[in-house]
Amino acid sequence: NAGVTQTPKFQVLKTGQSMTLQCAQDMNHEYMSWYRQDPGMGLRLIHYSVGAGITDQGEVPNGYNVSRSTTEDFPLRLLSAAPSQTSVYFCASSDPTGGYGYTFGSGTRLTVV
Amino acid sequence: EDKVVQSPLSLVVHEGDTVTLNCSYEVTNFRSLLWYKQEKKAPTFLFMLTSSGIEKKSGRLSSILDKKELFSILNITATQTGDSAVYLCAVEAAYSGGGADGLTFGKGTHLIIQP
Repeated sequence: NAGVTQTPKFQVLKTGQSMTLQCAQDMNHEYMSWYRQDPGMGLRLIHYSVGAGITDQGEVPNGYNVSRSTTEDFPLRLLSAAPSQTSVYFCASSDPTGGYGYTFGSGTRLTVV
Repeated sequence: EDKVVQSPLSLVVHEGDTVTLNCSYEVTNFRSLLWYKQEKKAPTFLFMLTSSGIEKKSGRLSSILDKKELFSILNITATQTGDSAVYLCAVEAAYSGGGADGLTFGKGTHLIIQP
């Protein structure tokens, strides 16, 4: 039981490049979400999904796309990277009826130069 | 807009001391309040609180929620150097369809335990 797996762990992009951050969970959780963590700002919600085929925007969605074709996977796409997207990205999943909170992946540290 | 305020933002104490971390919130359609511990990596789950006045305990850590006054506290007794971390408070709002629409986090309390 791996929990929530994020890849890659580190990435450096040039401004304007695109990339996909991968997130997979093996707990059969319906709910998945993406956060970014910046110094002094805490974690902020980017996008979330309450089940396969359903996604919605969080607090800071601009510049990011998501899709949810399966229960297990919830990739985050950066369409045209900007230095302001330099951050640590966390994926999380939860069972809303479980009472055990959200399980976070180990994070992806992204630097845009 | 949902809002979570944690205090203090940083705290330095000596091993063996007891600490109380505070979290106040404003949220539409409150569903739950969660506490996490973060040590330079992914946040790890501590507590999930949904009902007022019911204390949750895990070893030396305990937490309680007051839904009338909109705050929660996290207590750590007999602190150890391994308790040094950032403690995050988050609130979960109810989604219009009945589920959850994500977590709103506070900025965290950076706790340092000196030997």
